[in-house]
Amino acid sequence: GAVVSQHPSRVICKSGTSVKIECRSLDFQATTMFWYRQFPKQSLMLMATSNEGSKATYEQGVEKDKFLINHASLTLSTLTVTSAHPEDSSFYICSALSGPSFNEQFFGPGTRLTVL
Amino acid sequence: DQQVKQNSPSLSVQEGRISILNCDYTNSMFDYFLWYKKYPAEGPTFLISISSIKDKNEDGRFTVFLNKSAKHLSLHIVPSQPGDSAVYFCAARSSARQLTFGSGTQLTVLP
Repeated sequence: GAVVSQHPSRVICKSGTSVKIECRSLDFQATTMFWYRQFPKQSLMLMATSNEGSKATYEQGVEKDKFLINHASLTLSTLTVTSAHPEDSSFYICSALSGPSFNEQFFGPGTRLTVL
Repeated sequence: DQQVKQNSPSLSVQEGRISILNCDYTNSMFDYFLWYKKYPAEGPTFLISISSIKDKNEDGRFTVFLNKSAKHLSLHIVPSQPGDSAVYFCAARSSARQLTFGSGTQLTVLP
């Protein structure tokens, strides 16, 4: 299947700093990417839908000013956690849609964010 | 309000036996259902899916059953293998190709 990468895989930062997470589709173009967050032993929660060349669509309860999403090209979407706080510590996963079918939504390996 | 529920957080099965993972949903507008397998510190991997117009889909050792009237789906793995040990998430599509995930079931296949 298609490959989606995320960078970094793990990041530890101090409270108040901003962290950027990259999501790349390596061998296909993705007009749509999704960002999820997973807390321990909980489900993957959709945070936002990222469409290339347009503004992201955020789910209810997700602060768009805190979680900045940029989808500047067909192979790259970035999530920036601004002024991170300990409660933002989580596992962030992106997925990329390579076609209209759901089995064509490929997930990245995730990024573990720890805010001290 | 959880629209997709996996009520069993864990399941242990002997190697060679059948594993049955269950999932319930509340939104009758869901039209497509998927199962994903996830290892720690990795993203989910697609396993098998089923359209709401079907009641069964089979792929090798994996079979997904859908009971629309009960708003229930299940994943059967037979025979179970130790390599199947992972967290299994069911997911449902509502609109805009967005997925709603259940909370996952940790499957452990004992050798």
